[in-house]
Amino acid sequence: AIQMTQSPSSLSASVGDRVTITCRASQGIRNHLGWYQQKPGKAPKLLIYAASSLQSGVPSRFSGSGSGTDFTLTISSLQPEDFATYYCLQDDNYPRTFGQGTKVEIK
Amino acid sequence: QVQLVESGGGVVQPGRSLRLSCAASGFTFSNYAMHWVRQAPGKGLEWVAVISYDGNTKYYADSVKGRFTMSRDNSRNTLYLQMNNLRGEDTAVYYCARETFIAAVLTGLDFWGQGTLVTVSS
Repeated sequence: AIQMTQSPSSLSASVGDRVTITCRASQGIRNHLGWYQQKPGKAPKLLIYAASSLQSGVPSRFSGSGSGTDFTLTISSLQPEDFATYYCLQDDNYPRTFGQGTKVEIK
Repeated sequence: QVQLVESGGGVVQPGRSLRLSCAASGFTFSNYAMHWVRQAPGKGLEWVAVISYDGNTKYYADSVKGRFTMSRDNSRNTLYLQMNNLRGEDTAVYYCARETFIAAVLTGLDFWGQGTLVTVSS
């Protein structure tokens, strides 16, 4: 199975900060990666698909990049509603695998 | 609007069985592959299984292979997860999720249910 290594596991940031989360795949997955946001007690929400495409309705401060094995989720200016846990998910093959998550907390 | 509503969770003893359901509405259910994803208390997300739009193709995580069976009834717009020989490590919130393709591009798990809690305990 493809291993997805996400970093950091947590970070503290302030409103307005630029935040970057990375995900590394144990083998090449082309651009077959999505990013999800999850708030406590809620279902995950799709932010980015195909590594860099913004899901409809998601604010443009979220962006994704990367291909092959290295991927990045960037929040250009962190907003109060962005404090949450973020996961990457490879959808290149089965079994699908998630990164271990990055918790974004308020500094 | 798209809705996915899971049901069937509860407390079950180790070694017993449970069947989860996911009722879909607001879209043409028979056109979409569907997934189950779970989350143990305080842990990250774990992909569990997928079923193709027509039910003919299924894949499972190694952790559930041979114990869990995914199925669907497109006439009832319902997805199922039959869980047998349950273990403590199967304790989790189970989510169903829809997978979308647009112009042959996979566009992720775009709609999720609210989840149903399964607790495996004696």
